[in-house]
Amino acid sequence: KAGVTQTPRYLIKTRGQQVTLSCSPISGHRSVSWYQQTPGQGLQFLFEYFSETQRNKGNFPGRFSGRQFSNSRSEMNVSTLELGDSALYLCASRPGDPAGGPRTEAFFGQGTRLTVV
Amino acid sequence: QKEVEQNSGPLSVPEGAIASLNCTYSDRGSQSFFWYRQYSGKSPELIMSIYSNGDKEDGRFTAQLNKASQYVSLLIRDSQPSDSATYLCAVKGGNTPLVFGKGTRLSVIA
Repeated sequence: KAGVTQTPRYLIKTRGQQVTLSCSPISGHRSVSWYQQTPGQGLQFLFEYFSETQRNKGNFPGRFSGRQFSNSRSEMNVSTLELGDSALYLCASRPGDPAGGPRTEAFFGQGTRLTVV
Repeated sequence: QKEVEQNSGPLSVPEGAIASLNCTYSDRGSQSFFWYRQYSGKSPELIMSIYSNGDKEDGRFTAQLNKASQYVSLLIRDSQPSDSATYLCAVKGGNTPLVFGKGTRLSVIA
């Protein structure tokens, strides 16, 4: 069974540009979460989707957005990039509805390392 | 604000020893508890999950949960240099997202 696939693996962007990252969950998984990881802040929750609906949202500015498609694949977009957006962006997939019960395990993709210059 | 606290380390243990990693959490409604291992430059890898008070063993790993004290721990027996990594504690409630601690860096010295 294939794992969580994130593309691209590496990105270099200039301040002010926008970027779109993609995540394909494990086959059969319908819940996708996004996290930002930086050395100082650790893993910070961005948002979570289930069945194309955003179920939870973290404390990030509106420049960060996401969506989920009918095949459970998800994308996140960051507009007007800032130097502080440089981070490892991680996607995790879980089998079921986040509200249906917490006893399900989340599995991470390899991440997209974004560098803003 | 739901918080998960871990000692950042580094925690250094000799090869063959037991490594003990600890985590406390603030939300009493938390129901699920996970330990992830993250090697430098890699993504987190799930190594243990625990949902009920007590101990859960899997190979060289034992997770311990005490909900009354809001405390989770991970014991690694017979530590190996390959266990050197950052260990992340993660906690989840009913419909709340998975919240991570900042991780404890473990160094196993050969």
